[in-house]
Amino acid sequence: KNQVEQSPQSLIILEGKNCTLQCNYTVSPFSNLRWYKQDTGRGPVSLTIMTFSENTKSNGRYTATLDADTKQSSLHITASQLSDSASYICVVGGGNTPLVFGKGTRLSVIA
Amino acid sequence: GAGVSQSPSNKVTEKGKDVELRCDPISGHTALYWYRQSLGQGLEFLIYFQGNSAPDKSGLPSDRFSAERTGGSVSTLTIQRTQQEDSAVYLCASRRMGQREETQYFGPGTRLLVL
Repeated sequence: KNQVEQSPQSLIILEGKNCTLQCNYTVSPFSNLRWYKQDTGRGPVSLTIMTFSENTKSNGRYTATLDADTKQSSLHITASQLSDSASYICVVGGGNTPLVFGKGTRLSVIA
Repeated sequence: GAGVSQSPSNKVTEKGKDVELRCDPISGHTALYWYRQSLGQGLEFLIYFQGNSAPDKSGLPSDRFSAERTGGSVSTLTIQRTQQEDSAVYLCASRRMGQREETQYFGPGTRLLVL
């Protein structure tokens, strides 16, 4: 069964600290992996997208990694800010099949 | 240049009533998706429209759910005889076709509460 598992379910960190969110997937065939940020009451917004051949992709303070062999991805947030508080959703695409969404990690950055 | 818009932003209805949710995709985006996001759950795919092709309805949970896309632009998701378990956020996304890995752009969602 195609699944995307994210951990931790929730996370609280102090402003300025770094954190890493994990995503494991069993989607096959694999086409691409995306990380989305979803602020409360808003729709998800794309942060990064990586295909099979890409190992890392950065977007400002966000850096995503992908290990297609172990089917794992991580999203590293550097020097967190209060505005980083949101849900971070890992999404795996299998070409022409519907995207498979993880349940997200709820990040809270506190002062 | 506006993003995906959805209306209404919130909808409260009584069990058994029908509801219609509207999505206006980004101009020029030929692909349109509907998702459902329940509390504490990941996004659940409902239906996918791509140009003039027959829609992919494989995610619709029951025959009470239907969707239309008129003129290749605006889409309406209809839920008939709503049930309490239909309460969720319904998200619409659109995508520009051409590149295989093109990003989906999401609307703000419609929060549906069925009493």
